[in-house]
Amino acid sequence: DTAVSQTPKYLVTQMGNDKSIKCEQNLGHDTMYWYKQDSKKFLKIMFSYNNKELIINETVPNRFSPKSPDKAHLNLHINSLELGDSAVYFCASSQEGAATEAFFGQGTRLTVV
Amino acid sequence: SQQGEEDPQALSIQEGENATMNCSYKTSINNLQWYRQNSGRGLVHLILIRSNEREKHSGRLRVTLDTSKKSSSLLITASRAADTASYFCATDAGGNKLVFGAGTILRVKS
Repeated sequence: DTAVSQTPKYLVTQMGNDKSIKCEQNLGHDTMYWYKQDSKKFLKIMFSYNNKELIINETVPNRFSPKSPDKAHLNLHINSLELGDSAVYFCASSQEGAATEAFFGQGTRLTVV
Repeated sequence: SQQGEEDPQALSIQEGENATMNCSYKTSINNLQWYRQNSGRGLVHLILIRSNEREKHSGRLRVTLDTSKKSSSLLITASRAADTASYFCATDAGGNKLVFGAGTILRVKS
């Protein structure tokens, strides 16, 4: 059983489109995150949720809207995609925020053309 | 700005040698974590060291933390080709988030 799974693994889309990435964790963790990894491998936190509540919104454009229907799921919807949104997006979860280890999904490679 | 910065940026060694990677950070932390990322994969947690700890071991991994110098090191002993990956440090400086460094790319040649 995969602990943190995200779909799709690859996403190629045109500028201006709207797309969603889904994430689910079966670890019973309270905290879930979205991270963005750019072409230079820098990992930057985008959002953090704790028990479905938004905790961190790290100055991400409002074209990005996370949604947590329950504490096991955290989806990311992106409107009006731009070339600069091309990156690998990682979902992660942890039991107690940054105080405990984070478990990462396999990543979604988003390419905007 | 990035909290943690690793050096070297890239390291190439022979199988069997030891690999040492360093991480420096800027503010006080609650803990520091090391992660490994194989090419095209997600990050895998290796070890967590709390601010009141100085050294931790896990198998062939040894992590040290010097809070006075705001630095940490990850030592991988007797490296194997399978250790080839990118290694990241991440700090918990409060605010319920981990802040990652730029990573060290390790290549172990067989």
